[in-house]
Amino acid sequence: DAKTTQPPSMDCAEGRAANLPCNHSTISGNEYVYWYRQIHSQGPQYIIHGLKNNETNEMASLIITEDRKSSTLILPHATLRDTAVYYCIVRGNSGGGADGLTFGKGTHLIIQP
Amino acid sequence: ETGVTQSPTHLIKTRGQQVTLRCSSQSGHNTVSWYQQALGQGPQFIFQYYREEENGRGNFPPRFSGLQFPNYSSELNVNALELDDSALYLCASSSGLAGGTLSYNEQFFGPGTRLTVL
Repeated sequence: DAKTTQPPSMDCAEGRAANLPCNHSTISGNEYVYWYRQIHSQGPQYIIHGLKNNETNEMASLIITEDRKSSTLILPHATLRDTAVYYCIVRGNSGGGADGLTFGKGTHLIIQP
Repeated sequence: ETGVTQSPTHLIKTRGQQVTLRCSSQSGHNTVSWYQQALGQGPQFIFQYYREEENGRGNFPPRFSGLQFPNYSSELNVNALELDDSALYLCASSSGLAGGTLSYNEQFFGPGTRLTVL
């Protein structure tokens, strides 16, 4: 799986959009970008994933650059409950998933009131 | 809520002891993965079970072992506990494997078991 790089922490004001960047310059053609988050004292939670097109669901939007070397997770109207560690994971669909998800240290997003 | 449950929530053991942690998968999921999360770190993959067989393993020694049952619930066993085994242990369930599905990458995590080894 390709390596990802994320800032260790970010602040965002409540009600504003939170934009979390992720670099994955070694991503290969069949690898997807996944985002998970982990709220304190809970297990990680799946947010969204994409290949090359932008994706949106009820939780967030995922913007992937045209060269696919970076992406941004957008929480459109951040609330205090969005304070969490956000993990960007790059992964293909070959190999059976037998090596599990590779989590880095993620970005600790703090939503300020 | 993901529908994945783990027991116990907290556990204290002493060095050298053995421990068994349990996980019930989300309904309809046939794959379970176990992760270890040390304080301040991201989860690290221990192993995965698919239809009662170990399907893959991370960089963990053989004293970490597991089982998956016909109802797809699972156990993680750790023998000869060491102080560094103190961590949050997470299980995650998913459906399917590679070969036309990405659903195994959408893993549903339980709340974890906090293990403290003294």
